[in-house]
Amino acid sequence: DSGVTQTPKHLITATGQRVTLRCSPRSGDLSVYWYQQSLDQGLQFLIQYYNGEERAKGNILERFSAQQFPDLHSELNLSSLELGDSALYFCASSVEWNSPLHFGNGTRLTVT
Amino acid sequence: GDSVTQMEGPVTLSEEAFLTINCTYTATGYPSLFWYVQYPGEGLQLLLKATKADDKGSNKGFEATYRKETTSFHLEKGSVQVSDSAVYFCALMDNQGGKLIFGQGTELSVKP
Repeated sequence: DSGVTQTPKHLITATGQRVTLRCSPRSGDLSVYWYQQSLDQGLQFLIQYYNGEERAKGNILERFSAQQFPDLHSELNLSSLELGDSALYFCASSVEWNSPLHFGNGTRLTVT
Repeated sequence: GDSVTQMEGPVTLSEEAFLTINCTYTATGYPSLFWYVQYPGEGLQLLLKATKADDKGSNKGFEATYRKETTSFHLEKGSVQVSDSAVYFCALMDNQGGKLIFGQGTELSVKP
């Protein structure tokens, strides 16, 4: 158990809809990262937050947004969903910006 | 930009065989290097890491040495077990924010 909690584990929704994925980092970790894992793209970095502030942005679509709250949990919002958004979405956390990342078990999103 | 290249899988071995999974990287500066393992249905787990040239990371019988001259971080294990069957990811941590950049993953299947 990595200590990183992601909810829900599975999500099935229709095209055009909006969903919110939630992540609770390990106790004491200030950094939160979001990754998308798909068969064709592999593991793609989406966005990083550190203590509530956006730290780095990767290949995140404009339809996607995220935030980190004062209690350090994070949410990833995906809107106007398309079939191609179907993937595993992982959250990871670390103590400091250059510490190893610890991953949650992911949320599997299926867009129909 | 920074990138990681791994040997393509799947790799199929018999129990007790020797394992090598090749990983090379391209990066500015001297990034930290990692191997993560993903078992079916689970998130990524940190397997080992190395933070500077000639460092050897090791864990659970797996080893990898940070080779700056060949920009490589190959994963090795002397005698694999069926329980080692998983997908292995090589990654580097960039120097600007701490996000991980992953290779495409190598699936390992160990047969009894």
